Amino acid sequence: AQSVTQPDIHITVSEGASLELRCNYSYGATPYLFWYVQSPGQGLQLLLKYFSGDTLVQGIKGFEAEFKRSQSSFNLRKPSVHWSDAAEYFCAVGSNFGNEKLTFGTGTRLTIIP
Amino acid sequence: DAGITQSPRYKITETGRQVTLMCHQTWSHSYMFWYRQDLGHGLRLIYYSAAADITDKGEVPDGYVVSRSKTENFPLTLESATRSQTSVYFCASSVGAGANVLTFGAGSRLTVL
Repeated sequence: AQSVTQPDIHITVSEGASLELRCNYSYGATPYLFWYVQSPGQGLQLLLKYFSGDTLVQGIKGFEAEFKRSQSSFNLRKPSVHWSDAAEYFCAVGSNFGNEKLTFGTGTRLTIIP
Repeated sequence: DAGITQSPRYKITETGRQVTLMCHQTWSHSYMFWYRQDLGHGLRLIYYSAAADITDKGEVPDGYVVSRSKTENFPLTLESATRSQTSVYFCASSVGAGANVLTFGAGSRLTVL
């Protein structure tokens, strides 16, 4: 069965510092990978996705993620965080078989300090 | 307004009562989903629907009922609410099957006393 692990429950970063959120997945074939962001009181919004091709994908709000098959990872990065990036971030793994097979990680809460 | 809307946003109810959470989307997306979000569990799929009158169970369907008589609506009913169903519920939709992007509603926070 597919699974997603986000090992960091909570991360605190200073504004302007770089960020990396970790995501490890388990999937038997080539996965489809997603990062979603949830701002307080809001639904989830897609940051970026990887289906195939270039393993470094760019998303909205200056985020990027790199698919590393050898490490089963899809870490999210941002070179300089802004206070508005404070939110909860979810990694998800799926396939072309259907969104009902989409599996979410437990999330990483990001706190930004001035 | 265009988008996906959930109602109510907040609901407090008592054990044993019936509760219905509404979800409405304006894009005519084929697929709709209900998730629950709990600390330490992330999002777990309750039910999904591929089209009007077609629904299927997800990971945690027990205690929930869904229907989809119209493409744009996908209500979730808790027939006899239990405390373990206290959660935040998210409705989502997608254009089709496969790895299509999900679009989420803002969520409904349900407390069962």
